[in-house]
Amino acid sequence: DGGITQSPKYLFRKEGQNVTLSCEQNLNHDAMYWYRQDPGQGLRLIYYSQIVNDFQKGDIAEGYSVSREKKESFPLTVTSAQKNPTAFYLCASSIAREETQYFGPGTRLLVL
Amino acid sequence: EDQVTQSPEALRLQEGESSSLNCSYTVSGLRGLFWYRQDPGKGPEFLFTLYSAGEEKEKERLKATLTKKESFLHITAPKPEDSATYLCAVQMYSGGGADGLTFGKGTHLIIQP
Repeated sequence: DGGITQSPKYLFRKEGQNVTLSCEQNLNHDAMYWYRQDPGQGLRLIYYSQIVNDFQKGDIAEGYSVSREKKESFPLTVTSAQKNPTAFYLCASSIAREETQYFGPGTRLLVL
Repeated sequence: EDQVTQSPEALRLQEGESSSLNCSYTVSGLRGLFWYRQDPGKGPEFLFTLYSAGEEKEKERLKATLTKKESFLHITAPKPEDSATYLCAVQMYSGGGADGLTFGKGTHLIIQP
């Protein structure tokens, strides 16, 4: 089955710790995205990538980092500089930058 | 500032009671407007893309329409399984192409049997 997978489903972060969220797609999509969802707010764009080895900051990139070494993978690292990391993180992909985005199941990050 | 506003925030209907959800937007250079459905604890599920004013799309009990300033998601004779949060998002043109989506806060829909 083609789709987008995110792991883990739940992730716990200790203060001062960096954590990495995984996003993998087997849809052969060129573009990939990371969004953050908080209660009572719309999804907000963190980073996006149009092609391998290239990515751009979204609206709330501070405290986050990404890499795009393979077409099918777009991991997100939440660094210790992100002071309010508790949220639901969603990865999406699209055939190309202009096309419909499809979402993965999400990772819920909690702070211990 | 580009903005997407959805109303109402929450809506409770009886099974079979038709209604509409609204998404108004103030953006420059709209490329497309998207509707998603999101169940609790899950990722958004794609429903429709609308590109130009006057366009309409249908899927089962759902119909999406678009004007120059807003979009409506009409739900006809809803069933309890239609209960979910419905998200509206817009994509704008920028230098070199389109970017990520700008989302509204969603409408939480509950259909009571």
